[in-house]
Amino acid sequence: AQKITQTQPGMFVQEKEAVTLDCTYDTSDPSYGLFWYKQPSSGEMIFLIYQGSYDQQNATEGRYSLNFQKARKSANLVISASQLGDSAMYFCAMRTSGTYKYIFGTGTRLKVLA
Amino acid sequence: DAGVTQSPTHLIKTRGQHVTLRCSPISGHKSVSWYQQVLGQGPQFIFQYYEKEERGRGNFPDRFSARQFPNYSSELNVNALLLGDSALYLCASSSNPDRSYNEQFFGPGTRLTVL
Repeated sequence: AQKITQTQPGMFVQEKEAVTLDCTYDTSDPSYGLFWYKQPSSGEMIFLIYQGSYDQQNATEGRYSLNFQKARKSANLVISASQLGDSAMYFCAMRTSGTYKYIFGTGTRLKVLA
Repeated sequence: DAGVTQSPTHLIKTRGQHVTLRCSPISGHKSVSWYQQVLGQGPQFIFQYYEKEERGRGNFPDRFSARQFPNYSSELNVNALLLGDSALYLCASSSNPDRSYNEQFFGPGTRLTVL
């Protein structure tokens, strides 16, 4: 069965510090994509970063980077230099080849402290 | 360019009623997906449509139905509403779901409350 697990319901980080949000996944399909989304209190899901299963390098997008460890089936999101505006829910999601649905985890609520 | 738009923003219904939610994708996008997000949980996949054809369906009862129009906009219909249908309904559009990398862009959602 395909599954995304986010074990951290809530996280706190001091402004300007780095934070890692955990995500593990389960699939038997060798071809898949992993996504991270940010959901502010307004409700809209904002795409942050993507990692393909065959990508050799870890994905980076500005202050966001993805620590992809394929053998451990983990795809942790690292946010560097946290800002107050980073406070939100963060969701990890997966899409496998041949399917059209994205499977989301339960999310991690991040609070950045001034 | 306009992003994904959804209407209405909020909706209050009573048990047993039906509801229609609407979504307009980003211009040029031909695929629309619908998700249900219950408070405190991640989004759950309901449907995906591409080129007006249903491409995928999640584990939702037949009370849930959807369609996509020639202009690629979409409607999600829910009949015989239950209290448990109260949720944020998200619409996402993408250009081509057949590509391995297919970024989805989400709309602001419709918050449905069933009393």
